[in-house]
Amino acid sequence: EDQVTQSPEALRLQEGESSSLNCSYTVSGLRGLFWYRQDPGKGPEFLFTLYSAGEEKEKERLKATLTKKESFLHITAPKPEDSATYLCAVHELTGGGNKLTFGTGTQLKVEL
Amino acid sequence: DGGITQSPKYLFRKEGQNVTLSCEQNLNHDAMYWYRQDPGQGLRLIYYSQIVNDFQKGDIAEGYSVSREKKESFPLTVTSAQKNPTAFYLCASRLQGLNTEAFFGQGTRLTVV
Repeated sequence: EDQVTQSPEALRLQEGESSSLNCSYTVSGLRGLFWYRQDPGKGPEFLFTLYSAGEEKEKERLKATLTKKESFLHITAPKPEDSATYLCAVHELTGGGNKLTFGTGTQLKVEL
Repeated sequence: DGGITQSPKYLFRKEGQNVTLSCEQNLNHDAMYWYRQDPGQGLRLIYYSQIVNDFQKGDIAEGYSVSREKKESFPLTVTSAQKNPTAFYLCASRLQGLNTEAFFGQGTRLTVV
């Protein structure tokens, strides 16, 4: 069964202070890794899909990368509006179909 | 507008009562999912369904039940057997395929009073 572990659990940054969030996973065969952003009291919002080791995706101040064992979400020069919980998920093909397993998330707080 | 709709947004239940959470999507997605989220926690999978009239238990199915009679609907019933039902419940749907993303509703916050 897939295991998805995110670190750190919480991260506090000053505006403009770049950093990275980590998502490590154990799967028998990766069929997709997803990054989501979640604001308090809301449903998660899709950010990126990564499928192959070496793949990179970018969106504004966010860049996601993927290796065979982990994914990183790099945040460059963050702003307060980037404050949210960032979740990663892996797609696993089971006997019953397509299971999507989430990590516990990283709570990011960006301060002025 | 296409999307996934959960209702109600807030729900209060007395102990010992069953309650049903609604999830409807008009995205023509085959797969649908129910997750539970506790404060400061990630999403834990309750049930998922790939096609009509078929569904699978997730990691925390005890005390919950679902049905999938129509492609666009996947209601979740929280039964009295669920010991700690107070939580934020999220429904999602996605197209079948290797790397297609899931789309989420805005959630239902259930409180047992």
